[in-house]
Amino acid sequence: GEDVEQSLFLSVREGDSSVINCTYTDSSSTYLYWYKQEPGAGLQLLTYIFSNMDMKQDQRLTVLLNKKDKHLSLRIADTQTGDSAIYFCAEIVLSGTYKYIFGTGTRLKVLA
Amino acid sequence: EPEVTQTPSHQVTQMGQEVILRCVPISNHLYFYWYRQILGQKVEFLVSFYNNEISEKSEIFDDQFSVERPDGSNFTLKIRSTKLEDSAMYFCASSPGTGVSPLHFGNGTRLTVT
Repeated sequence: GEDVEQSLFLSVREGDSSVINCTYTDSSSTYLYWYKQEPGAGLQLLTYIFSNMDMKQDQRLTVLLNKKDKHLSLRIADTQTGDSAIYFCAEIVLSGTYKYIFGTGTRLKVLA
Repeated sequence: EPEVTQTPSHQVTQMGQEVILRCVPISNHLYFYWYRQILGQKVEFLVSFYNNEISEKSEIFDDQFSVERPDGSNFTLKIRSTKLEDSAMYFCASSPGTGVSPLHFGNGTRLTVT
């Protein structure tokens, strides 16, 4: 069945790069998404990548997709304390209708 | 920027009671969703809604759950007889189209069943 896996925690120092990893199982995924959840808030769309792309860059964010290994990563350059949040990877699959499958989320803690 | 709003932010209820969680999706969106997240677990799909009817529901969405769009702006999730295991964060989301349109989420309602 469909599944998305992420590591639960990541801790980095301010100014360093953060890399959050995700693996998914459904090879028919067309888009893959990264959402950010700050404390007490909902899930905010950060960025997404189409499945025929290998990489997408958006300011400090770089998304890498390895479709063969079904591996997605989010790199945050020059990580700031404001980046501390939970980051969710999600894939969209066609199962009757289009459905989002989310991972458990990775809690990123940025140390000053 | 328009946003999805959910009320209340926190709801405490006793087991067996009915609860209604409310959402106001973004006004020009056509697709509406409920997701939930039990503490420390994945964000799970519950139900999608389009054109005034359920388009898909998960195994979690059993007969105890129902959704409604009563007045063209609100989108509600009702749990008829709450169980302890219904305690979770419930997120409403909407999107302008189907397929690959990104979901816009509300801030969630934390439901605590005692």
